[in-house]
Parts: sequence; C-alpha cells; structure tokens
Amino acid sequence: EAGVVQSPRYKIIEKKQPVAFWCNPISGHNTLYWYLQNLGQGPELLIRYENEEAVDDSQLPKDRFSAERLKGVDSTLKIQPAELGDSAVYLCASSPTSGRAAEQFFGPGTRLTVL
Amino acid sequence: RKEVEQDPGPFNVPEGATVAFNCTYSNSASQSFFWYRQDCRKEPKLLMSVYSSGNEDGRFTAQLNRASQYISLLIRDSKLSDSATYLCAVRYGGSARQLTFGSGTQLTVLP
Repeated sequence: EAGVVQSPRYKIIEKKQPVAFWCNPISGHNTLYWYLQNLGQGPELLIRYENEEAVDDSQLPKDRFSAERLKGVDSTLKIQPAELGDSAVYLCASSPTSGRAAEQFFGPGTRLTVL
Repeated sequence: RKEVEQDPGPFNVPEGATVAFNCTYSNSASQSFFWYRQDCRKEPKLLMSVYSSGNEDGRFTAQLNRASQYISLLIRDSKLSDSATYLCAVRYGGSARQLTFGSGTQLTVLP
C-alpha cells in the first residue's frame, strides 16, 4: 500500500516568492494534517482537515499561508509571499477517521529553503 | 513553558546499553500518548503507543505516569540501528486528533 506522497521533496526559493506544496494521503484516510518542523524541533500542526473541511487552522498564519483540500483527497499548502523564517520541513500526515488513537502516517516532507 | 517537554539530549551510549527517555506534558486532559522515531532527514514513524498499564514491544518499554504527567521510553540492549531522534507526542481529549510533539531526544548508539 502506498504511503503519504508529497511533492516536491525539496524547494529553494527567494524571499517574497510564492511556493506550493502538494500532498496525497493514504487511500481511505479522511483526516489530513499539515505540520511544520523546524530543525531540532518536533512537528507543529498548521491545519487539520476532516474530508474537505478545515476543522482546525488556528496555528496557520493566515496572512501568508493558505491551504485547500477541494475533493477531500489531495491537499495543497501555499505560502505567499515566503519569508526567510519559513525555511523548514513541511510534513503532511493522514489518519483514518475512526478512533481517537488512530495512528497518523507521515509523508517524507518538503524541505523548503528561503534565500 | 512548552506543552510537551523532553530530555534535551543528545544521548550517546555504547551498544548493548540501556537508555531511558522521559517526556513531561502540561495538560492534564491529555488522553493518548505516543513515541515516534525519526531518522535523520526522514519523516516521523510511530514506534509505540503508551498505555496506562505500561507496554512492552521487544526491547522497548513505555510507561505512563498520569499523576506526575510524564511518559517514558526504555530501550534495552541498544543496537546501532536504534540511533535516531525519539519524539514523544500527546493527544488531548475530545474530538481533537492532532498531536502535540516534544522537541525530540537524539540518540546515538556507538559501536
């Protein structure tokens, strides 16, 4: 079974440029998460989707970050414009809907470098 | 104070050693607890869930102490392949499914 797929794996951009990340969750997983991980830190939640609905986006910096999951499957996370401090790894994860203890499966992440 | 805090590490131990990591959490409403393993430049992967009664999986033992609000991970007979960063994660009650992670503890097992 395929895992969570993310692309691109690496992205280098100059500050003030836009950037977008794509995530395809595990088939059948209705819950999708975007996390940000800085070097030496644990992942921090940006947004959580239940199907196509964003049910928790309280940690998403809405002035420059946006996300969508139009058909309840794939998702994109966008930053516009990017700032130097946005350099990090952006992780996508998915889990089945049922059960509070449902395991989250992470994708390989997109490593963003803003110059 | 962070919601989830871990031993800062790094831990450098010889092969065969026993090593223990602790993780404290501040929200007493926390209901689910996990240990994740993250290899260098890879994604986190679930190592084990932590149950109230404690649980063991081979050389790995996880414990939960609700009164003191901490979880622990014990690794016996360390292998070179155990070298990684170990992240503890906590999920709060209610309908929330997001995890709150600690900063991770880096383990290096030396030959």
